[in-house]
Amino acid sequence: SQTIHQWPATLVQPVGSPLSLECTVEGTSNPNLYWYRQAAGRGLQLLFYSVGIGQISSEVPQNLSASRPQDRQFILSSKKLLLSDSGFYLCAWGTGRGQETQYFGPGTRLLVL
Amino acid sequence: DAKTTQPTSMDCAEGRAANLPCNHSTISGNEYVYWYRQIHSQGPQYIIHGLKNNETNEMASLIITEDRKSSTLILPHATLRDTAVYYCIVRPGFLSNDYKLSFGAGTTVTVRA
Repeated sequence: SQTIHQWPATLVQPVGSPLSLECTVEGTSNPNLYWYRQAAGRGLQLLFYSVGIGQISSEVPQNLSASRPQDRQFILSSKKLLLSDSGFYLCAWGTGRGQETQYFGPGTRLLVL
Repeated sequence: DAKTTQPTSMDCAEGRAANLPCNHSTISGNEYVYWYRQIHSQGPQYIIHGLKNNETNEMASLIITEDRKSSTLILPHATLRDTAVYYCIVRPGFLSNDYKLSFGAGTTVTVRA
């Protein structure tokens, strides 16, 4: 069966510091991968998605970037965090074939102070 | 632009069926109805999806009206662990390149003993 991992689970970072969040998927190959953010009390916002290694699409302009160095690894980064980057970051995967269902990881809660 | 409308909150009794309504009056012919839920501080969990036929799995049943303008998610025997925010989402079929899942505010379901 497929599993999705995210780490760290929680993170407190100062404004202006860099960020790297990692997501890995097991038990599937060539998945679609997604990064979403959920601000406090808000719905989920799609940030990036990837249909293959090195292929990244950005949904909204922002202070973040994403990379996919391996088939089942998706990384969310920032060079300098802003207060507004605080939130709950969720990685998801989908089969990329047929009518796709997206499955979410446990999330990383980021607090920028 | 909200594609779905759900009640803000609802209570249900433990052991009873929970019926969660969703209106999607502008749904188009190739769009699917998806349901997810999010338990506090966790990533969203996929429940079920359908196009026009009723669907059932180990978690729930999905009833879609004949005109597809509304649907109902049924949790047959609610338990305390079903307390969560439930999201009804309309999503294009797999021939679309629109990968985004648009989460609205959802319905906060509280199961009471």
